[in-house]
Amino acid sequence: DIQMTQSPSSLSASVGDRVTITCRASETIASYLHWYQQSPGKAPKLLIFGVSNLQSGVPSRFSGSGSGTDFALTISSLQPEDFVTYYCQQSYGSPPTFGQGTILEMK
Amino acid sequence: QVQLQESGPGLVKPSQTLSLTCSVSGDSFSSGVYFWTWLRQLPGKGLEWLGYVSSSGTTHYTPSLKSRLTLLLDTSNQQFSLKLTSVTAADTAIYYCARDGGRGSYFRFDPWGPGTLVTVSS
Repeated sequence: DIQMTQSPSSLSASVGDRVTITCRASETIASYLHWYQQSPGKAPKLLIFGVSNLQSGVPSRFSGSGSGTDFALTISSLQPEDFVTYYCQQSYGSPPTFGQGTILEMK
Repeated sequence: QVQLQESGPGLVKPSQTLSLTCSVSGDSFSSGVYFWTWLRQLPGKGLEWLGYVSSSGTTHYTPSLKSRLTLLLDTSNQQFSLKLTSVTAADTAIYYCARDGGRGSYFRFDPWGPGTLVTVSS
């Protein structure tokens, strides 16, 4: 299985900050990389697909980048509702696999 | 707009079979494009893909559960189901159903059902 490693596991930041979460795959996954956002007690929600494509309705402060094995999710100006958990996921190989998650905490 | 909803027992005894159903509203169920997927989230841990069933009934399972897992499609009722046999405490998790993008968008999950917590305990 392709292993997905996110860093950091948790991140403390303030409203208005710019933050970046990284995701590394154990082998090349081309552009088959997606990001999900999960609020407490809720199901994950697709945020970005294919590295950098925003899902409909997702604010433009979210962006994704990368290729091959190294990827990043950037939030340009944190809003209060952004302090939740984020997961990366590869769809290059079967089974699809997720990173362990990054918890974004309010400082 | 498609919506998914899981249903089934919240408590299952060890060694028994866990059975869940996902009801799908909206017209994408019969389109033949999408796959219908189950995932789970172990307590306080990450997400695990379990498998999918296509609109034609073709299935694909994660290798670690292949011997215990069965996914079925019920087109007439716009439902799909999961059966996991010989459960142990390690199968305690929140189980989610989701739509897989299918052709051209394999293993891209959107939307998800709200999830249902299944506890394995005697």
